[in-house]
Order: sequence, then C-alpha cells, then structure tokens
Amino acid sequence: QKEVEQNSGPLSVPEGAIASLNCTYSDRGSQSFFWYRQYSGKSPELIMSIYSNGDKEDGRFTAQLNKASQYVSLLIRDSQPSDSATYLCAVNLSQAGTALIFGKGTTLSVSS
Amino acid sequence: ETGVTQTPRHLVMGMTNKKSLKCEQHLGHNAMYWYKQSAKKPLELMFVYSLEERVENNSVPSRFSPECPNSSHLFLHLHTLQPEDSALYLCASSQGPTETQYFGPGTRLLVL
Repeated sequence: QKEVEQNSGPLSVPEGAIASLNCTYSDRGSQSFFWYRQYSGKSPELIMSIYSNGDKEDGRFTAQLNKASQYVSLLIRDSQPSDSATYLCAVNLSQAGTALIFGKGTTLSVSS
Repeated sequence: ETGVTQTPRHLVMGMTNKKSLKCEQHLGHNAMYWYKQSAKKPLELMFVYSLEERVENNSVPSRFSPECPNSSHLFLHLHTLQPEDSALYLCASSQGPTETQYFGPGTRLLVL
C-alpha cells in the first residue's frame, strides 16, 4: 500500500514564527511532490511543487525534498493568521500513469 | 481557481434519487479526476480520466458512475446513494496524470 503520511496536528505557532510541516512517503521511486493549502470548506489550492532534492523557495514558502530519507517538508516564514489552514502533501507514485496520492493533511493555526 | 468549475455547489438528495455532478475545465488539460473528501479523512481518489479514457477506478461502488464526453467535461452520476456518501466531491484537472492538479470548488453533497 503506497502511503503519504502527515502529522494531523493541529500545529500552533505565533504570528511571525516559522511553521514547519512534514510529510513522509513510502514509494522510493516517487518523482513529483506537491503542497496544497485548503481552507475550511474550500477546495485545495496549489502552493508549491518540487521535483529535485534540496530547497525551493517561493516568497515566504520553502519546500524541502530529501529523496534518500523519503520526506518532503514545507516551511512558512513570518507566519500570518491568514496562513491558518490545512496543508496537504501530495506525491506522484513511480508507477507510470498513476495519479497523485494525498496525505491526510496538517492543520496549522497561527495566533495573532 | 476559476479554471475548473463545478455545479451544483450544494446538493441534498434522498437515497432513492438520481442526480449528476458536473465539472468543466477551461485550462486545456487532458486529465480529469473525481475525489471524495469526508470529514477527518484524506482525499480519496475515485476516478481518473486521461484523454477521455478512464485510466483508474479505485474500487468505487457502482452507485457512482463517471462520464467523460470530452476532455473539458466530466460528470459523476449518482443513484441510490447512502448517508455515508455525504461528503465534499472535488473535481480536478491536470495536463497529464502525474502533473500538477487544479481543483474546482467542490460540490457539498448531503444524502438523507
């Protein structure tokens, strides 16, 4: 069973702090990794994608990928109350033609 | 994400009713998906269509019947549903089965 694991949280951080969200996956051959944000009652929206080992930065967001350890993380710098949401990790399995597998998501709460 | 639209946004139906959910994407993508999202559970992939051919069916009960008449439209036909089928049903599209997926706003379904 191919799996994507996330700590469900809630993860609570004060405004201005760095929030660190982690995700592990079971399929060593996975090639594509995505972070989505989902506000309550809304649909998921893409934050970042990452395909290579290392860091990828986009504004306040940094995705980190370590294929050897099979984890991908998302750092949110200068966290804002508007960042409070559920963050979904999604992984493409190595089997050709297989769609993304999503984790259960981590709920982040940023207090002002 | 206005690139993927879903109708209706809310639906209440009895267990003996027949209804259909509609999804339309304006992004020029060639893969479309149906997901189910229940409370406290991860996104569950239901169906994948690539170039209008169904390429994945994750053991979904036959009371859910998908239809993809062309690459821009996707339907989910519902009949004799159960109360446990109440959930948020999300449509997504992507350029290919392993590429970034963009979600519609979802249909909130309540089965009485």
